[in-house]
Amino acid sequence: KNEVEQSPQNLTAQEGEFITINCSYSVGISALHWLQQHPGGGIVSLFMLSSGKKKHGRLIATINIQEKHSSLHITASHPRDSAVYICAVNGNKLVFGAGTILRVKS
Amino acid sequence: NAGVTQTPKFRILKIGQSMTLQCTQDMNHNYMYWYRQDPGMGLKLIYYSVGAGITDKGEVPNGYNVSRSTTEDFPLRLELAAPSQTSVYFCASMPLIIAGLSSGNTIYFGEGSWLTVV
Repeated sequence: KNEVEQSPQNLTAQEGEFITINCSYSVGISALHWLQQHPGGGIVSLFMLSSGKKKHGRLIATINIQEKHSSLHITASHPRDSAVYICAVNGNKLVFGAGTILRVKS
Repeated sequence: NAGVTQTPKFRILKIGQSMTLQCTQDMNHNYMYWYRQDPGMGLKLIYYSVGAGITDKGEVPNGYNVSRSTTEDFPLRLELAAPSQTSVYFCASMPLIIAGLSSGNTIYFGEGSWLTVV
């Protein structure tokens, strides 16, 4: 079993829809990161969480430490949100989930 | 403040050749990482370092070597390149996680190095 599991693997949404991507992990962590990778490869950090909830624009990230689970929500999705979203956890090293490929259609 | 700089961006190697991927960060980060990403796949950890002079293996270290003689630099060396090492390589850095700090505990990535071994 992978230390970090993301779901779904692929997601297609219509513009304007509310989107949720999930991340479960099996190791003790000090922090969890949500990252975005656009076609062409560049990777940027969206959030770093160690508890609770963070919001940035239309993006919201939550984490439940007891349940070892985090979610990334996108409100009012837009085609420019199409990307791969990656969950990564800080245990004794940084481990990545396989990513969720999101496509938002107009 | 340039962030994480990786070079080269593209390289074609012949089987058996060696090369070094360079990674430099100017943010005084403790942690540095090398990942590879095969087409359609997630990031796999090759090696990582928690500080100058300290390195450790990740999931897929075979065929690679690293060194961390300074805080800034974390080069990745490929010895005897093989077609299985054709991939995109990413270097990343991160500061020590400071509990309770709401910002600054961010991962920074280089732009990637596309390597083809033929």
